[in-house]
Amino acid sequence: DSGVTQTPKHLITATGQRVTLRCSPRSGDLSVYWYQQSLDQGLQFLIQYYNGEERAKGNILERFSAQQFPDLHSELNLSSLELGDSALYFCASSVSGDRDRGLGGANVLTFGAGSRLTVL
Amino acid sequence: GQNIDQPTEMTATEGAIVQINCTYQTSGFNGLFWYQQHAGEAPTFLSYNVLDGLEEKGRFSSFLSRSKGYSYLLLKELQMKDSASYLCAVRDNTGGFKTIFGAGTRLFVKA
Repeated sequence: DSGVTQTPKHLITATGQRVTLRCSPRSGDLSVYWYQQSLDQGLQFLIQYYNGEERAKGNILERFSAQQFPDLHSELNLSSLELGDSALYFCASSVSGDRDRGLGGANVLTFGAGSRLTVL
Repeated sequence: GQNIDQPTEMTATEGAIVQINCTYQTSGFNGLFWYQQHAGEAPTFLSYNVLDGLEEKGRFSSFLSRSKGYSYLLLKELQMKDSASYLCAVRDNTGGFKTIFGAGTRLFVKA
Protein backbone atom coordinates (compact mmCIF):
# COMPACT_ATOMS: atom_id res chain seq x y z
CA ASP A 1 0.00 0.00 0.00
CA SER A 2 1.60 3.25 -1.21
CA GLY A 3 -0.55 5.44 1.00
CA VAL A 4 -2.27 7.08 -1.98
CA THR A 5 -5.90 5.95 -2.22
CA GLN A 6 -7.89 6.07 -5.43
CA THR A 7 -11.55 5.23 -5.90
CA PRO A 8 -13.20 3.61 -7.71
CA LYS A 9 -10.75 0.91 -8.84
CA HIS A 10 -12.88 0.05 -11.85
CA LEU A 11 -15.60 1.98 -13.62
CA ILE A 12 -17.62 1.07 -16.70
CA THR A 13 -19.83 3.69 -18.28
CA ALA A 14 -21.30 4.76 -21.60
CA THR A 15 -20.31 7.44 -24.08
CA GLY A 16 -21.63 10.87 -23.23
CA GLN A 17 -21.68 10.20 -19.49
CA ARG A 18 -19.79 11.95 -16.71
CA VAL A 19 -17.68 10.35 -13.99
CA THR A 20 -15.71 11.53 -10.98
CA LEU A 21 -12.48 9.90 -9.84
CA ARG A 22 -11.30 10.47 -6.31
CA CYS A 23 -7.81 10.56 -4.79
CA SER A 24 -6.58 10.87 -1.23
CA PRO A 25 -2.88 11.72 -1.07
CA ARG A 26 -0.33 10.13 1.22
CA SER A 27 -0.40 11.60 4.73
CA GLY A 28 1.73 14.75 4.81
CA ASP A 29 1.79 15.25 1.03
CA LEU A 30 0.47 18.57 -0.20
CA SER A 31 0.68 18.03 -3.95
CA VAL A 32 -1.57 15.87 -6.09
CA TYR A 33 -0.96 14.96 -9.72
CA TRP A 34 -3.25 13.29 -12.25
CA TYR A 35 -1.99 11.14 -15.10
CA GLN A 36 -3.76 9.22 -17.87
CA GLN A 37 -2.33 5.97 -19.22
CA SER A 38 -4.00 4.49 -22.29
CA LEU A 39 -3.35 0.94 -23.42
CA ASP A 40 0.32 0.47 -24.28
CA GLN A 41 1.00 4.17 -23.92
CA GLY A 42 3.01 6.24 -21.52
CA LEU A 43 1.78 8.29 -18.64
CA GLN A 44 0.28 11.54 -19.90
CA PHE A 45 0.41 14.39 -17.40
CA LEU A 46 -2.97 16.04 -16.91
CA ILE A 47 -2.80 18.47 -14.01
CA GLN A 48 -1.17 19.20 -10.65
CA TYR A 49 -2.50 20.84 -7.48
CA TYR A 50 -0.56 22.08 -4.50
CA ASN A 51 -2.37 22.80 -1.25
CA GLY A 52 -5.63 23.51 -3.03
CA GLU A 53 -4.27 25.58 -5.90
CA GLU A 54 -3.63 24.56 -9.48
CA ARG A 55 0.14 24.49 -10.00
CA ALA A 56 0.78 23.04 -13.45
CA LYS A 57 -1.29 21.91 -16.39
CA GLY A 58 -0.57 19.34 -19.08
CA ASN A 59 -2.61 18.29 -22.09
CA ILE A 60 -5.86 18.10 -20.18
CA LEU A 61 -8.97 18.19 -22.35
CA GLU A 62 -11.57 20.89 -21.77
CA ARG A 63 -14.07 18.11 -21.01
CA PHE A 64 -11.92 17.22 -17.99
CA SER A 65 -11.60 19.25 -14.81
CA ALA A 66 -10.10 18.73 -11.41
CA GLN A 67 -9.86 20.31 -8.00
CA GLN A 68 -8.15 19.81 -4.68
CA PHE A 69 -10.18 20.31 -1.52
CA PRO A 70 -9.14 21.81 1.85
CA ASP A 71 -8.59 18.31 3.25
CA LEU A 72 -6.16 17.80 0.30
CA HIS A 73 -8.11 15.07 -1.43
CA SER A 74 -8.61 15.63 -5.13
CA GLU A 75 -11.26 14.80 -7.70
CA LEU A 76 -10.92 14.44 -11.46
CA ASN A 77 -14.14 15.01 -13.37
CA LEU A 78 -14.48 13.56 -16.86
CA SER A 79 -17.53 14.61 -18.87
CA SER A 80 -19.04 13.91 -22.31
CA LEU A 81 -17.06 10.70 -22.28
CA GLU A 82 -15.77 9.22 -25.52
CA LEU A 83 -14.48 5.75 -26.32
CA GLY A 84 -10.95 7.13 -26.42
CA ASP A 85 -11.15 8.19 -22.79
CA SER A 86 -10.92 4.56 -21.73
CA ALA A 87 -7.68 4.37 -19.77
CA LEU A 88 -6.04 3.94 -16.41
CA TYR A 89 -6.11 7.18 -14.47
CA PHE A 90 -3.37 7.50 -11.88
CA CYS A 91 -3.17 9.92 -9.05
CA ALA A 92 0.20 10.62 -7.46
CA SER A 93 1.22 12.75 -4.51
CA SER A 94 4.39 14.36 -3.23
CA VAL A 95 5.36 16.38 -0.20
CA SER A 96 5.59 19.64 -2.08
CA GLY A 97 5.14 20.95 -5.55
CA ASP A 98 8.78 21.67 -6.03
CA ARG A 99 11.03 19.98 -3.54
CA ASP A 100 11.00 16.87 -1.42
CA ARG A 101 12.97 17.07 1.78
CA GLY A 102 13.73 13.39 1.65
CA LEU A 103 15.91 13.26 -1.42
CA GLY A 104 17.99 16.40 -1.58
CA GLY A 105 15.70 18.38 -3.83
CA ALA A 106 13.95 15.62 -5.73
CA ASN A 107 10.21 15.53 -6.05
CA VAL A 108 9.43 11.82 -5.90
CA LEU A 109 5.92 10.90 -6.88
CA THR A 110 4.04 8.20 -4.98
CA PHE A 111 1.32 6.70 -7.14
CA GLY A 112 -2.03 5.25 -6.23
CA ALA A 113 -3.22 1.95 -7.69
CA GLY A 114 -5.19 3.73 -10.39
CA SER A 115 -8.79 3.88 -11.56
CA ARG A 116 -9.52 1.87 -14.67
CA LEU A 117 -12.18 3.59 -16.76
CA THR A 118 -13.93 1.72 -19.56
CA VAL A 119 -16.22 3.70 -21.85
CA LEU A 120 -18.57 1.57 -23.95
CA GLY B 1 8.15 21.43 -25.12
CA GLN B 2 9.52 18.16 -23.87
CA ASN B 3 10.54 14.99 -25.68
CA ILE B 4 11.67 11.75 -24.08
CA ASP B 5 12.84 8.74 -26.08
CA GLN B 6 13.54 5.22 -24.88
CA PRO B 7 13.44 1.83 -26.60
CA THR B 8 10.05 0.17 -26.73
CA GLU B 9 11.13 -3.31 -25.71
CA MET B 10 14.22 -5.20 -24.56
CA THR B 11 14.88 -8.82 -23.72
CA ALA B 12 17.61 -10.12 -21.42
CA THR B 13 18.55 -13.31 -19.66
CA GLU B 14 18.23 -14.04 -15.97
CA GLY B 15 21.49 -13.21 -14.16
CA ALA B 16 22.69 -10.88 -16.90
CA ILE B 17 23.11 -7.09 -17.01
CA VAL B 18 20.90 -4.81 -19.09
CA GLN B 19 21.18 -1.11 -19.85
CA ILE B 20 18.08 0.90 -20.75
CA ASN B 21 18.82 4.20 -22.45
CA CYS B 22 16.83 7.41 -22.37
CA THR B 23 17.37 10.64 -24.27
CA TYR B 24 15.45 13.77 -23.54
CA GLN B 25 14.94 17.33 -24.71
CA THR B 26 13.54 19.88 -22.33
CA SER B 27 13.88 23.61 -21.84
CA GLY B 28 13.72 23.61 -18.05
CA PHE B 29 15.52 20.48 -16.80
CA ASN B 30 15.15 19.94 -13.07
CA GLY B 31 16.00 16.27 -12.55
CA LEU B 32 15.58 12.84 -14.10
CA PHE B 33 13.77 9.88 -12.57
CA TRP B 34 13.41 6.20 -13.32
CA TYR B 35 10.26 4.36 -12.28
CA GLN B 36 9.36 0.69 -12.55
CA GLN B 37 5.84 -0.36 -13.54
CA HIS B 38 4.56 -3.92 -13.56
CA ALA B 39 1.64 -4.55 -15.90
CA GLY B 40 -1.59 -3.10 -14.53
CA GLU B 41 0.09 -1.71 -11.44
CA ALA B 42 1.23 1.69 -10.26
CA PRO B 43 4.69 3.01 -11.12
CA THR B 44 7.18 2.88 -8.26
CA PHE B 45 10.24 5.09 -7.82
CA LEU B 46 13.65 3.60 -8.58
CA SER B 47 16.20 6.39 -8.90
CA TYR B 48 16.84 10.10 -9.24
CA ASN B 49 19.65 12.06 -10.91
CA VAL B 50 20.01 15.82 -11.02
CA LEU B 51 23.80 16.13 -11.38
CA ASP B 52 26.00 14.38 -13.94
CA GLY B 53 27.28 10.99 -12.96
CA LEU B 54 26.30 7.62 -11.66
CA GLU B 55 23.95 6.87 -8.76
CA GLU B 56 24.08 3.32 -7.46
CA LYS B 57 21.39 1.64 -5.42
CA GLY B 58 21.85 -2.09 -4.98
CA ARG B 59 21.29 -3.94 -8.27
CA PHE B 60 20.14 -0.72 -9.94
CA SER B 61 22.29 2.19 -11.12
CA SER B 62 21.34 5.29 -13.05
CA PHE B 63 23.57 7.63 -15.02
CA LEU B 64 22.98 11.17 -16.23
CA SER B 65 24.72 13.45 -18.71
CA ARG B 66 22.94 16.79 -18.81
CA SER B 67 25.01 18.16 -21.69
CA LYS B 68 24.02 15.19 -23.85
CA GLY B 69 20.43 14.96 -22.62
CA TYR B 70 21.09 11.31 -21.88
CA SER B 71 20.48 8.86 -19.08
CA TYR B 72 20.61 5.13 -18.63
CA LEU B 73 19.32 2.66 -16.09
CA LEU B 74 21.56 -0.33 -15.43
CA LEU B 75 20.08 -3.47 -13.94
CA LYS B 76 22.50 -6.13 -12.71
CA GLU B 77 21.96 -9.77 -11.74
CA LEU B 78 18.61 -9.79 -13.50
CA GLN B 79 15.77 -11.70 -11.87
CA MET B 80 12.51 -12.84 -13.41
CA LYS B 81 10.65 -10.35 -11.22
CA ASP B 82 12.49 -7.53 -13.02
CA SER B 83 10.24 -8.13 -16.04
CA ALA B 84 8.35 -4.83 -16.13
CA SER B 85 8.20 -1.49 -17.88
CA TYR B 86 10.87 1.04 -16.97
CA LEU B 87 9.80 4.66 -17.28
CA CYS B 88 12.22 7.51 -17.78
CA ALA B 89 10.79 10.78 -16.48
CA VAL B 90 12.05 14.34 -16.57
CA ARG B 91 11.09 17.07 -14.17
CA ASP B 92 10.61 20.28 -16.09
CA ASN B 93 10.07 23.73 -14.62
CA THR B 94 8.63 25.37 -17.72
CA GLY B 95 5.17 26.71 -16.95
CA GLY B 96 5.19 25.20 -13.50
CA PHE B 97 7.06 22.17 -12.21
CA LYS B 98 5.82 19.00 -13.82
CA THR B 99 7.13 15.47 -14.25
CA ILE B 100 6.89 14.22 -17.83
CA PHE B 101 7.19 10.51 -18.56
CA GLY B 102 8.55 8.69 -21.56
CA ALA B 103 6.52 5.87 -23.11
CA GLY B 104 8.52 3.29 -21.15
CA THR B 105 10.71 0.33 -22.05
CA ARG B 106 9.16 -3.08 -21.60
CA LEU B 107 11.82 -5.47 -20.31
CA PHE B 108 11.38 -9.21 -20.67
CA VAL B 109 13.67 -11.37 -18.55
CA LYS B 110 13.94 -14.95 -19.78
CA ALA B 111 15.32 -17.98 -18.00
